[in-house]
Amino acid sequence: KQEVTQIPAALSVPEGENLVLNCSFTDSAIYNLQWFRQDPGKGLTSLLLIQSSQREQTSGRLNASLDKSSGRSTLYIAASQPGDSATYLCAVTKTGANNLFFGTGTRLTVIP
Amino acid sequence: NAGVTQTPKFQVLKTGQSMTLQCAQDMNHNSMYWYRQDPGMGLRLIYYSASEGTTDKGEVPNGYNVSRLNKREFSLRLESAAPSQTSVYFCATSLHARSYNYGYTFGSGTRLTVV
Repeated sequence: KQEVTQIPAALSVPEGENLVLNCSFTDSAIYNLQWFRQDPGKGLTSLLLIQSSQREQTSGRLNASLDKSSGRSTLYIAASQPGDSATYLCAVTKTGANNLFFGTGTRLTVIP
Repeated sequence: NAGVTQTPKFQVLKTGQSMTLQCAQDMNHNSMYWYRQDPGMGLRLIYYSASEGTTDKGEVPNGYNVSRLNKREFSLRLESAAPSQTSVYFCATSLHARSYNYGYTFGSGTRLTVV
């Protein structure tokens, strides 16, 4: 089984700060890793997907890195805004398996 | 451009009642999934369908059944609802179950309360 851990569970930062969210996984044999955003009471919105052969992906103020050998990924958010407040979920595949394995998320609050 | 559509969005059931959660996608994806999300436990896979005509159990299948009606639709049925099935249910799709290049797309969820 693939175990996924996200630290910290909650994070509160002032607006404008750069921040890093962490994700670790136990099995490095993966197809890809995906970061999602979930607003309260809403569904999951895909932010970034990193294939197992890639080291990082960027979208606007978001940058996700992947170190497959150590089982780690980070999501970097630059110049945080109150609208970034949400729960961020990391999800990983596992070679030979047919589904995503999720962490429990980091709840981010950006204070104006 | 609907993506993944789940119905209903909210439901309250009495213990022992049955219901079916519906999921439909217009993305021409081959694989479909049902997850449940509970506080502190993350999302857990209930059942999945890697391709039309196939279904398989996930991590927490007890108390549920599924039907892959066609390529577009994947339903989740609770035969006799229990309070432990109070949760938020998400349907998801992917182009292929084992893909390096493609990720998953999620519906907006069904919030189910069993009293």
